[in-house]
Amino acid sequence: DAMVIQNPRYQVTQFGKPVTLSCSQTLNHNVMYWYQQKSSQAPKLLFHYYDKDFNNEADTPDNFQSRRPNTSFCFLDIRSPGLGDAAMYLCATSQGFQPQHFGDGTRLSIL
Amino acid sequence: AQSVTQPDIHITVSEGASLELRCNYSYGATPYLFWYVQSPGQGLQLLLKYFSGDTLVQGIKGFEAEFKRSQSSFNLRKPSVHWSDAAEYFCAVGATEYGNKLVFGAGTILRVKS
Repeated sequence: DAMVIQNPRYQVTQFGKPVTLSCSQTLNHNVMYWYQQKSSQAPKLLFHYYDKDFNNEADTPDNFQSRRPNTSFCFLDIRSPGLGDAAMYLCATSQGFQPQHFGDGTRLSIL
Repeated sequence: AQSVTQPDIHITVSEGASLELRCNYSYGATPYLFWYVQSPGQGLQLLLKYFSGDTLVQGIKGFEAEFKRSQSSFNLRKPSVHWSDAAEYFCAVGATEYGNKLVFGAGTILRVKS
């Protein structure tokens, strides 16, 4: 089945230690998104790629960066994670303005 | 900017009873409207969407939603709830002039009692 795959499902890192979360898709969608979802809150868009064009939300911390080396893969890099960055990180894809398809998320814990 | 309000944080219904989850949006023109469902520890699954046309839209798992422009609402309904429907439900609005950005409501947690 075509899908959005996030690895790992659970990630533990130390305070201040860089971490990378990955997302891959077999849907061949041109748009990929990263959301942060804290406990009992709605997903919050961090940034998205429309093809190779990177779009950063105004309130996304500088600590968060993203790479999209090709259509299928997108990475979320957190340069110096703080305790407040513990959350579920959701990757989604869409073809243009069509509905977004979500992966199962990566739950990030900070020690 | 667009915004979404889901006034009910928690709803509890009995299995077999009908369900209505409320969603109100704020946007100047006709938005794109979505309902997603999230089970614990999982990603979001699209239940249904409204882009244009018929204001009553059918989705998966027996859900439907009605777009009411005059009330700026897009309420989700199901005639008979199953225990497996227990999850969190998010209403979201999108608009082309904001690129592909979706704005989500705060979510409604549905509990189903047997």
